[in-house]
Amino acid sequence: QLQLQESGPGLVKPSETLSLTCTVSGGSISSSTYYWGWIRQPPGKGLEWIGSVFYSGTTYYNPSLKSRVTISVDTSKNQFSLKLSSVTAADTAVYYCARLAAVSVRWFDPWGQGTLVTVSS
Amino acid sequence: DIQMTQSPSSLSASVGDRVTITCRASQSISSYLNWYQQKPGKAPKLLIYATSSLQSGVPSRFSGSGSGTYFTLTISSLQPEDFATYFCQQTYTFGQGTKLEIK
Repeated sequence: QLQLQESGPGLVKPSETLSLTCTVSGGSISSSTYYWGWIRQPPGKGLEWIGSVFYSGTTYYNPSLKSRVTISVDTSKNQFSLKLSSVTAADTAVYYCARLAAVSVRWFDPWGQGTLVTVSS
Repeated sequence: DIQMTQSPSSLSASVGDRVTITCRASQSISSYLNWYQQKPGKAPKLLIYATSSLQSGVPSRFSGSGSGTYFTLTISSLQPEDFATYFCQQTYTFGQGTKLEIK
């Protein structure tokens, strides 16, 4: 059974870079039928797609975050990572990683449990 | 960009009720619409993909329909474990969510 697990600091200072890693277990990240994505959810609010990466390294980013986001993949470790630069309090959220079906109807499944990242000095 | 609008934002219902949640797209998205359930403190869980296909393990009381710009999620007979927040999603855009509460 495929499982995803986010890891990284739970507290980041304003203006610094948020860095998270998602470790995939129970399956290979090097699949041609899936992307791997990051989604976030500010406390009490809705879901926002941050970006996605293919095992080849091809990336797709939310235009509203594109200037600050870098997503990369490490197939040797079965991991993919998120970096979000110049963070502010508005970036405080639960960050989820998820597998994204690479078909015309793109759905996210499964999801990691999520990790809360707080931006505060 | 395509916008997804759910209604209602919140809904109170009783165990055994039939409930319907609506999701509207700002332009036609064919049948490219998915639904998720999220319980407090948990990650969203895929319920329905491609408008009407039930994800493995999801009870048959959940169903989805629609096409173009109008989609619905129906729960035929609410169970206690169904009280949660529901989100629709099209490619990279999520609806704002519908919180289903116990009456």
